[in-house]
Amino acid sequence: AQSVTQLGSHVSVSEGALVLLRCNYSSSVPPYLFWYVQYPNQGLQLLLKYTSAATLVKGINGFEAEFKKSETSFHLTKPSAHMSDAAEYFCAVTEYGQNFVFGPGTRLSVLP
Amino acid sequence: GAGVSQSPSNKVTEKGKDVELRCDPISGHTALYWYRQRLGQGLEFLIYFQGNSAPDKSGLPSDRFSAERTGESVSTLTIQRTQQEDSAVYLCASSLDGTRDTQYFGPGTRLTVL
Repeated sequence: AQSVTQLGSHVSVSEGALVLLRCNYSSSVPPYLFWYVQYPNQGLQLLLKYTSAATLVKGINGFEAEFKKSETSFHLTKPSAHMSDAAEYFCAVTEYGQNFVFGPGTRLSVLP
Repeated sequence: GAGVSQSPSNKVTEKGKDVELRCDPISGHTALYWYRQRLGQGLEFLIYFQGNSAPDKSGLPSDRFSAERTGESVSTLTIQRTQQEDSAVYLCASSLDGTRDTQYFGPGTRLTVL
C-alpha cells in the first residue's frame, strides 16, 4: 500500500528565500504524485502533478517539484518566497486503481 | 464550468442528532471522494465512489457513517447519532475517471457538534 510522509509540519522562510517542502512516498508500482495547496479559509487546489512523463514538473505560482525514484522523493521548491505563498501544502500519491493517500501537510509561513 | 459544490457550508448540530452532507461533483466526473479534515490536521480518507458503487469504504470511521451516490451525480454523506469528535470539515472531491486523475475539491462543510 502506498504512503506519504512530509518532513516538517511547519516551515518558516523569509520573503525572497528559497522554499523547500519535503515529500517522500512509498509505492509498490510507479506512482502518480501530486502537490495540493490550501490557502487560509479556502479549499484545496492542485499545484502540480507527476504522471510519469518529465521528472521535473512545473506548477502554478512558480512552484516546481522533481520526481526522484532512487530517493522516493517529490520535494516541492520555489526559488523566491512571496508573502502570498503562506498556506498549507499537501503531498499525495496514488497508484492505478487505488485511492489517493495524502500526507499530513506542511504549513508554510513567510516572514517579512 | 461549475466546480464541486457542497452544502451546507456550515452545520451546527447537537450531539446525538443525524446530519446529511451533500456533494455535487463536476459534471462528467465519474469518481467522487469524501475526506474529513479535523482542525489543524491533514486529510483523512473516508470513502471513494466510482460511478454509484463504492469500491473503497475502508476509511469510514464507524457504522454511524454512511454514504450513497446517485449515478454519477450527487453524493450524500450521512452521520448518525453525531458525537463531538465528528466535528471537522468534510471535504468532497471529484475526478474524471478516478484512477490517477486530478481531484478537484469542493469548499467543504464545517460540522460542529455541540
